[in-house]
Amino acid sequence: GAVVSQHPSWVICKSGTSVKIECRSLDFQATTMFWYRQFPKQSLMLMATSNEGSKATYEQGVEKDKFLINHASLTLSTLTVTSAHPEDSSFYICSARGERGTGGIQYFGAGTRLSVL
Amino acid sequence: AQKVTQAQTEISVVEKEDVTLDCVYETRDTTYYLFWYKQPPSGELVFLIRRNSFDEQNEISGRYSWNFQKSTSSFNFTITASQVVDSAVYFCALSEAGGRRALTFGSGTRLQVQP
Repeated sequence: GAVVSQHPSWVICKSGTSVKIECRSLDFQATTMFWYRQFPKQSLMLMATSNEGSKATYEQGVEKDKFLINHASLTLSTLTVTSAHPEDSSFYICSARGERGTGGIQYFGAGTRLSVL
Repeated sequence: AQKVTQAQTEISVVEKEDVTLDCVYETRDTTYYLFWYKQPPSGELVFLIRRNSFDEQNEISGRYSWNFQKSTSSFNFTITASQVVDSAVYFCALSEAGGRRALTFGSGTRLQVQP
């Protein structure tokens, strides 16, 4: 299957700081990337959808100013958690989908575990 | 609105046993896709299968098989002769065929295969 790289895999930060998470499609062009959040022993909750070169579409209840998404190229999307607080601690997972070479299937990164102290 | 139900929260089996993971879905779309993903303890979701709503043929891949029944809106997943490495959380998911094609996930089934 296609490869999606997500970094960092684990980050600890102080309350009030910002954290950037990168999601890269390594062997295909991702026309669409998705960002999910997963709480322990729960399912994945879609946060936002991003298309290259356009603004992200956020799901209801997700704060746009808190979770900044940039999809600057067909292989890179970033999620910045601004002014992080302990309640933002979670497992964040990205996925990427390309129309060519991936059959339109979403492939996932390994996730980023964020701990805010 | 789309919905995916995985009624089995946790299943524990002994190695070499067969196990079936249930998935029931709801959608108003006539064309849609169904998926299964595996999430091992490492956290990464691994794609297992995608099924188009028009294709009701069952599929077998090694020890894995899938049974898609549109009449009962079910897309069940069977692992034959389970192995310890199969221990993971398995998610069933549904997406529309057009538009964003965002995935709607079930709550997941945690499978524990004991040696």
